[in-house]
Amino acid sequence: GAVVSQHPSRVICKSGTSVKIECRSLDFQATTMFWYRQFPKQSLMLMATSNEGSKATYEQGVEKDKFLINHASLTLSTLTVTSAHPEDSSFYICSANKFRDGPYEQYFGPGTRLTVT
Amino acid sequence: DAKTTQPTSMDCAEGRAANLPCNHSTISGNEYVYWYRQIHSQGPQYIIHGLKNNETNEMASLIITEDRKSSTLILPHATLRDTAVYYCIVRDLSTDSWGKLQFGAGTQVVVTP
Repeated sequence: GAVVSQHPSRVICKSGTSVKIECRSLDFQATTMFWYRQFPKQSLMLMATSNEGSKATYEQGVEKDKFLINHASLTLSTLTVTSAHPEDSSFYICSANKFRDGPYEQYFGPGTRLTVT
Repeated sequence: DAKTTQPTSMDCAEGRAANLPCNHSTISGNEYVYWYRQIHSQGPQYIIHGLKNNETNEMASLIITEDRKSSTLILPHATLRDTAVYYCIVRDLSTDSWGKLQFGAGTQVVVTP
């Protein structure tokens, strides 16, 4: 398989501050990465699609000015939650496409637990 | 609108086969069936995928009906570590979708001793 890492694994921040989460593909290049959010006892919700070198595409209802996504290289995408509030507390998960003999495989990171106090 | 329908939960005895059904009656010809699972507080893990033929790998088997309107994921010998939420996802791999995955509610599988 392929390895996707996230950093940090958990973070606690105060309301009004910004938090950056990194997503890295460790052993493959990923032209496309995705960001998901998951609230307790709910399924994953796709937030945005990130393509290397271009602007991210956000799903309907996701505020692009609040959730800043940068995909500066083929192995790194970052999600910055700006002016975080308690309702932004969630489990944030990234994934990356890896092309392999046809249909893209998509590999997920371990997730980042964000708690806003 | 959800593209797949799965039972909310299933129990399975350790050592037995677990058969997880999924309905995807509106699947189109170029959409694949993917299965992922998520163990509590972890990122999802890829299990298997298929288009129209049955598939098998070291983790599971995927049986797709001939009309492709439903499929079954088979875990041949369930272990306690297979306790997880299992997601059946219909995936469009056309260029403009980038192969993004839309997760439904999934099936909570509990394997008991």
